[in-house]
Amino acid sequence: ETGVTQTPRHLVMGMTNKKSLKCEQHLGHNAMYWYKQSAKKPLELMFVYSLEERVENNSVPSRFSPECPNSSHLFLHLHTLQPEDSALYLCASSQGTALGPQYFGPGTRLLVL
Amino acid sequence: SQQGEEDPQALSIQEGENATMNCSYKTSINNLQWYRQNSGRGLVHLILIRSNEREKHSGRLRVTLDTSKKSSSLLITASRAADTASYFCAPLGVDSSYKLIFGSGTRLLVRP
Repeated sequence: ETGVTQTPRHLVMGMTNKKSLKCEQHLGHNAMYWYKQSAKKPLELMFVYSLEERVENNSVPSRFSPECPNSSHLFLHLHTLQPEDSALYLCASSQGTALGPQYFGPGTRLLVL
Repeated sequence: SQQGEEDPQALSIQEGENATMNCSYKTSINNLQWYRQNSGRGLVHLILIRSNEREKHSGRLRVTLDTSKKSSSLLITASRAADTASYFCAPLGVDSSYKLIFGSGTRLLVRP
């Protein structure tokens, strides 16, 4: 266990659904990240939060909406997704946003029908 | 952005053998990090080597860094079936702060 949990672990949703992914870290870190990992593609950084402020939005479509209510929790709200959004969504945290290692959760496997 | 490129893309070895994976990158770095990912799971941080370090050890792992060649290698000694995973290098550029840019990784299979 890395100290970063994600729920749900698996999610199937239709294109008209609204769902949320949740990430929680128990490491006392102050930076959190969302990554997307599609089949046969490298990990893509989506969003970065530092001290609950968004510091990076890596050209992600607006159908993905992040929320960071405090330094321990991170959400990814999903609405009107497309089948190509099916992927493994990984959350990570780190102490600060510079230089150190990131600690990843187990991921949410998302399938959009 | 700074991305590490791992080589080979896939590696199959017998249990007990050593596995060597290489990483190349393009610009100046603060540090370079290696991660492991078991199939369909999250990434696990293995080791971080700073730009002023040339070699680092952690258990059966040995990482080298050659900043003049902009390359790094990860050696796993006495491999075990449980080492089967994908391995990624993530160079942290001097102007990139938190942005770890992952490559496609090396898929390692250790046959029992």
